[in-house]
Amino acid sequence: TQLLEQSPQFLSIQEGENLTVYCNSSSVFSSLQWYRQEPGEGPVLLVTVVTGGEVKKLKRLTFQFGDARKDSSLHITAAQPGDTGLYLCAGARGGTYKYIFGTGTRLKVLA
Amino acid sequence: SQTIHQWPATLVQPVGSPLSLECTVEGTSNPNLYWYRQAAGRGLQLLFYSVGIGQISSEVPQNLSASRPQDRQFILSSKKLLLSDSGFYLCAWAPGLIPSYEQYFGPGTRLTVT
Repeated sequence: TQLLEQSPQFLSIQEGENLTVYCNSSSVFSSLQWYRQEPGEGPVLLVTVVTGGEVKKLKRLTFQFGDARKDSSLHITAAQPGDTGLYLCAGARGGTYKYIFGTGTRLKVLA
Repeated sequence: SQTIHQWPATLVQPVGSPLSLECTVEGTSNPNLYWYRQAAGRGLQLLFYSVGIGQISSEVPQNLSASRPQDRQFILSSKKLLLSDSGFYLCAWAPGLIPSYEQYFGPGTRLTVT
């Protein structure tokens, strides 16, 4: 069974702090996506990374794909209460249409 | 632009009753379609996916089934619900004709089996 393990599982920080969320697997993925989900809503795509070592920035969010394409990280600089939510990573294997989702990281940013 | 609809938004059903959840996509053709189930605050479990009309792949053996009667319509069904079927059901689509690494989700259906 292919697994994507995310850490930490829960994170509660003060506004203005920095944080990093990790997404790890023993499997190689052709691409990896990050989503944010609000309670009672569907996940919203934040970014897709496809090249080993790739770094993408989305305002205060920085995403990195591992060189071996087995892991990824999400770094948030100066977190704000609006960043609160469930962060999910998802990996796609080459030659398939299936996506494997991570276990999720619940982030709470306190004002 | 593309939009994805799911209904109903919430559903309370007794054990043993049938189920039908519907998902439709607008603004695209030949999408890949997916049904996921999510436990509270956790990751998504892939239930079914479809790459074309009538083509269904099942990922988790259970008392649920899926059908794709039209290109942009995906239906999740059950003949007899179990308590363990409770959860948040999400439909998603991805571009099917070109390589894509992105999925777009509907608003979800909260199912409670009593």
